[in-house]
Amino acid sequence: SQQGEEDPQALSIQEGENATMNCSYKTSINNLQWYRQNSGRGLVHLILIRSNEREKHSGRLRVTLDTSKKSSSLLITASRAADTASYFCATDGEGGKLIFGQGTELSVKP
Amino acid sequence: GAVVSQHPSRVICKSGTSVKIECRSLDFQATTMFWYRQFPKQSLMLMATSNEGSKATYEQGVEKDKFLINHASLTLSTLTVTSAHPEDSSFYICSAIRGFYEQYFGPGTRLTVT
Repeated sequence: SQQGEEDPQALSIQEGENATMNCSYKTSINNLQWYRQNSGRGLVHLILIRSNEREKHSGRLRVTLDTSKKSSSLLITASRAADTASYFCATDGEGGKLIFGQGTELSVKP
Repeated sequence: GAVVSQHPSRVICKSGTSVKIECRSLDFQATTMFWYRQFPKQSLMLMATSNEGSKATYEQGVEKDKFLINHASLTLSTLTVTSAHPEDSSFYICSAIRGFYEQYFGPGTRLTVT
């Protein structure tokens, strides 16, 4: 079953702009992860944020987590055409399983 | 980083036949692997949890007799789609856990049933 919603479902921006994607979830978590998936390919792990963390950075990526609102956001700064992909959040479930959000399809136009 | 492979990457089969997909952890041992299914433009849906040496645990709504999972060793899990039908056409992705929570994904297998 899906954990929650991501918005927007699709986002189209120009190269150089920032892209923000949001994720909401329903149950309590230990951590939340963000993944990228290029069309027809496997998942690439981007970043993990633990439930006791509020913000985390990795290169051009910034992730926030608000456990009181059960939501997270992924910000990609200075986007590039190569950032075009689908982005998924995933929360940890029982036994290590991951529960994925619906995903945001990002298109960065050169 | 850890590597998980899947074989085949693409497979086309006729309706009614069975297809086996392999998931291997190449440089680590994984007592637990997961199988996900992804339809076009949709998210990943967990199908089952594959545990080495024991029966797989299936998610609600997933037919265990149709999707046979065998975790024969610490580096190999297989998913067999039995009597495949066109509605089984999908992208199947496996993942393997290393350590406590590090999960690594395979590149996926595109199944097309004609």
